[in-house]
Amino acid sequence: TQLLEQSPQFLSIQEGENLTVYCNSSSVFSSLQWYRQEPGEGPVLLVTVVTGGEVKKLKRLTFQFGDARKDSSLHITAAQPGDTGLYLCAGARVGNNDMRFGAGTRLTVKP
Amino acid sequence: NAGVTQTPKFQVLKTGQSMTLQCAQDMNHNSMYWYRQDPGMGLRLIYYSASEGTTDKGEVPNGYNVSRLNKREFSLRLESAAPSQTSVYFCASSEVRPNSGNTIYFGEGSWLTVV
Repeated sequence: TQLLEQSPQFLSIQEGENLTVYCNSSSVFSSLQWYRQEPGEGPVLLVTVVTGGEVKKLKRLTFQFGDARKDSSLHITAAQPGDTGLYLCAGARVGNNDMRFGAGTRLTVKP
Repeated sequence: NAGVTQTPKFQVLKTGQSMTLQCAQDMNHNSMYWYRQDPGMGLRLIYYSASEGTTDKGEVPNGYNVSRLNKREFSLRLESAAPSQTSVYFCASSEVRPNSGNTIYFGEGSWLTVV
């Protein structure tokens, strides 16, 4: 079992729809990050959430950190084909230096 | 801005051969990491180095060794390659900033095939 469980694993939607992906753990994290990865490239940071209950917005993307700092969600409003990619959550547990990743959610937005 | 540079980009090995993946970062980061990425598995941590002179095992260290040569460089060695080590390998570095978390910067990846 992975330290960070992401769901769903795959998501295929039509342009204009809304979606939410989840990142859950039984461990407490000092912070959580969301990354987006395109084929043939390394992951690129989208956002970092640090405080329990924190909500951050990045244009059509809304990120939330759970109150207990064990989970996070990413909501995309009015998805566009350019949002297609692999979305990864990552974090280091409190007191640890090792950054762990979830298995990712592969999003496809059809025109 | 070079960021994180890793070499080689592509490599084909025969079972039992050895090789070293090289990684260097120019951001003066303390922490460096080696991950492997397989389909459906996300990125799994092989080894990490929290600071110069220290290394620690991650989730999947078996079959690998690492060296933190200096603050800039962190190499990954496969002593006797096995087909199960066919994967994409990413080197990364990070710095913990107060109230900003731990942002990781990745290299472009190394595609390794073991036949």
